[in-house]
Amino acid sequence: EAGVAQSPRYKIIEKRQSVAFWCNPISGHATLYWYQQILGQGPKLLIQFQNNGVVDDSQLPKDRFSAERLKGVDSTLKIQPAKLEDSAVYLCASSRTTSAEDTQYFGPGTRLTVL
Amino acid sequence: SQQGEEDPQALSIQEGENATMNCSYKTSINNLQWYRQNSGRGLVHLILIRSNEREKHSGRLRVTLDTSKKSSSLLITASRAADTASYFCATGRALTFGSGTRLQVQP
Repeated sequence: EAGVAQSPRYKIIEKRQSVAFWCNPISGHATLYWYQQILGQGPKLLIQFQNNGVVDDSQLPKDRFSAERLKGVDSTLKIQPAKLEDSAVYLCASSRTTSAEDTQYFGPGTRLTVL
Repeated sequence: SQQGEEDPQALSIQEGENATMNCSYKTSINNLQWYRQNSGRGLVHLILIRSNEREKHSGRLRVTLDTSKKSSSLLITASRAADTASYFCATGRALTFGSGTRLQVQP
């Protein structure tokens, strides 16, 4: 089966610009996650969707970050305006359900550099 | 703060040797998972151990869990150069990761 797809793989922007990332989860996976991974650290959850509803967005900086999963399939994560500290790899993951025992499958990530 | 913390932060061994990584966590858990991340790639799930399990094996991997000490260990036996990666433990429904152990296996 196809894995989690993400695009673009790399993005370089100036601070205060906007950027959007796209994720297509594994077919049939109801749960989708966005993580931020800063260099040298483990991934940090930004937002979790169950179908097209938000389950957890407690760590999403809502003043500048937004995410949607309108049809319960693919998802976009947007940053507007970007700050230098947003430089990181943004990882998308999906799982069949929200169960803590369901394996999460990760995409290759989008590496964002904010200059 | 992150739930799990791996130790050591970095580990360098020769091919064929065993590698042991440890993870400590702070709150009670239902299960703990280990993931691997190759440089520039996404994470790959390795193994899940439930809170009522003490040890689990998968191929060359052996994971132990001590809930009384809130710690887990990952042992990779007979390491290979391809095992070079960062290894993370994670807990919770929406995974909370530590900072990882960077393993370098020298050929």
